[in-house]
Amino acid sequence: AQSVTQLGSHVSVSEGALVLLRCNYSSSVPPYLFWYVQYPNQGLQLLLKYTSAATLVKGINGFEAEFKKSETSFHLTKPSAHRSDAAEYFCAVSDSEGAQKLVFGQGTRLTINP
Amino acid sequence: GAGVSQSPSNKVTEKGKDVELRCDPISGHTALYWYRQSLGQGLEFLIYFQGNSAPDKSGLPSDRFSAERTGGSVSTLTIQRTQQEDSAVYLCASSLVLLGAPTNEQYFGPGTRLTVT
Repeated sequence: AQSVTQLGSHVSVSEGALVLLRCNYSSSVPPYLFWYVQYPNQGLQLLLKYTSAATLVKGINGFEAEFKKSETSFHLTKPSAHRSDAAEYFCAVSDSEGAQKLVFGQGTRLTINP
Repeated sequence: GAGVSQSPSNKVTEKGKDVELRCDPISGHTALYWYRQSLGQGLEFLIYFQGNSAPDKSGLPSDRFSAERTGGSVSTLTIQRTQQEDSAVYLCASSLVLLGAPTNEQYFGPGTRLTVT
């Protein structure tokens, strides 16, 4: 069965600094990987997805993630944090094509310091 | 276009009562999912529908939980004899499943916050 581990339940960075949110996955087959963002009292919004087309994936709001099979990682980065990036971020994995459930990590709360 | 909608947005109920949570998926989306988000357990899958059938119910925590989908659209999640541990945010998502499509892009609703007192 697949699983996801997000290192760090809480990350704090200064405005303008690099954002790095870590995600490691476990899957017996090539995975499909996702990052979602959740703003307070809202549902989840898809930031980006990896589906084996390219290892470096660019998403919305300036975020990107790189799939590294050798490290079983899919870390999320953004070069320069903005205060609007403050939210909770979830990494998720699905090991099948089509309509299958997502398995989520525990989430990382990102705080932006002025 | 309209996104996934859920109602009610908040529900407070007494222990032992039954509750129904509703999800309206994006029009044309054939797959519908229910997840539960709680402090102790994070985001957990509950059940998935393809059309009106549920090929995967593996996440339903007990037989007090059930769900149905009618007309390939609206879904209702029912919790009978609610317990305090059922308190959580219940999220619904939908996706458009295309034959041979490699992705599983799910669009989430805002959730229903259930509080059992």
